[in-house]
Amino acid sequence: QVQLMQSGAEVKKPGASVKVSCKASGYPFTTHHMHWVRQVPGQGLEWMGIIKSRRGGTIYAEKFQGRVTMTRDTSTSTDYMELSRLRSEDTAIYYCARDFEWSLDTWGQGTLVTVSS
Amino acid sequence: QSALTQPASVSGSPGQSITISCTGTNSDVGGYNHVSWFQQHPGKAPKLILYEVSHRPSGMSNRFSASKSGNTASLTISGLQAEDEADYYCISYTSSDSWVFGGGTKLTVL
Repeated sequence: QVQLMQSGAEVKKPGASVKVSCKASGYPFTTHHMHWVRQVPGQGLEWMGIIKSRRGGTIYAEKFQGRVTMTRDTSTSTDYMELSRLRSEDTAIYYCARDFEWSLDTWGQGTLVTVSS
Repeated sequence: QSALTQPASVSGSPGQSITISCTGTNSDVGGYNHVSWFQQHPGKAPKLILYEVSHRPSGMSNRFSASKSGNTASLTISGLQAEDEADYYCISYTSSDSWVFGGGTKLTVL
């Protein structure tokens, strides 16, 4: 079955960067785009961006432009989301989610990133 | 891109029906049929319950339905059950070639 397995929790200091991975299985990896979404504890979902299926083109939410980089390794069916210049407000659960019919049909389990000095 | 507008909370008794609205603009909800709804239980990842306004994923209960009129999409849950108590989010594709979520609605089953 379709599965997205994300990397484990991270603790980072302000100003550092974090790179979260999302390994896909159960479907042809290059046939679907991948979204990244975050959720600050106790708050709503926030769309961060999308990496396109084949050529790896990206679209980032305006809020994160300049700080986020999404990449894809087709040899290992893994997508990555790197967020730089971290601040305390970036403490959140980060999710990858497969694109399907302009929606997000399968989600990873989430990766908690804590930013603290 | 501003978040889509959802009521912060709704409630209903078992067996009843409730509706959650999701209001955007001509540049998102009103401009495309690419509107989806998600259910999220505490501590869990969101789960897709409807996409392309009113399409249900395979295996999703037909107690969940949705529609769209102008700039507002609506999710209806009929025959409320205790397990429906959760947070619900809408999302829409936008004219900026991006996506935007609603602020979320907490459903309480009384």
